Amino acid sequence: GAGVSQSPRYKVAKRGQDVALRCDPISGHVSLFWYQQALGQGPEFLTYFQNEAQLDKSGLPSDRFFAERPEGSVSTLKIQRTQQEDSAVYLCASSPFGRQSDTQYFGPGTRLTVL
Amino acid sequence: RKEVEQDPGPFNVPEGATVAFNCTYSNSASQSFFWYRQDCRKEPKLLMSVYSSGNEDGRFTAQLNRASQYISLLIRDSKLSDSATYLCVVNRNQFYFGTGTSLTVIP
Repeated sequence: GAGVSQSPRYKVAKRGQDVALRCDPISGHVSLFWYQQALGQGPEFLTYFQNEAQLDKSGLPSDRFFAERPEGSVSTLKIQRTQQEDSAVYLCASSPFGRQSDTQYFGPGTRLTVL
Repeated sequence: RKEVEQDPGPFNVPEGATVAFNCTYSNSASQSFFWYRQDCRKEPKLLMSVYSSGNEDGRFTAQLNRASQYISLLIRDSKLSDSATYLCVVNRNQFYFGTGTSLTVIP
């Protein structure tokens, strides 16, 4: 079946622009996660949804970062007034159940470059 | 102190070699453990879960030592296709990833 998909795959933004990154989880998966992966580092947790509820946003680095999953399926990560330090790969993952200990299945990521 | 520490490598080994990676974690309340594999410019993919009793999947063996708070991955009879970055993952209400260990298997 289809895996997690993300769009766009690549995004170049000028500093100060707003960007929106989309994630389509595996159909029926309850949990959805966003991660930020800087070059040469492991992914770092940003936020977690169980269905449409955002249960943990402790990893969002600033109030410029906002995520939503209004109907419990597709999610959008929005970054306002992008800065150069926001340049990274943004990974989305989903898991079948409403527990954060389940195996997570990752999408291909969106590579964001802020100039 | 980081939640998860890994030796970044790189490890360069000949085909057929056995290679072992270790990972340590800082919080004894960590609940579950995994090894993920990440190819260059690709997403992480689950390699295997790690259990206290140790578990094996073909050429791969993972072990967990809760007392010492470390996790290991052993790869036997390395193949060229094993070249990748191996990420140690510790779950404690959220996934904590190590920085990854880079492996290159040389013909």
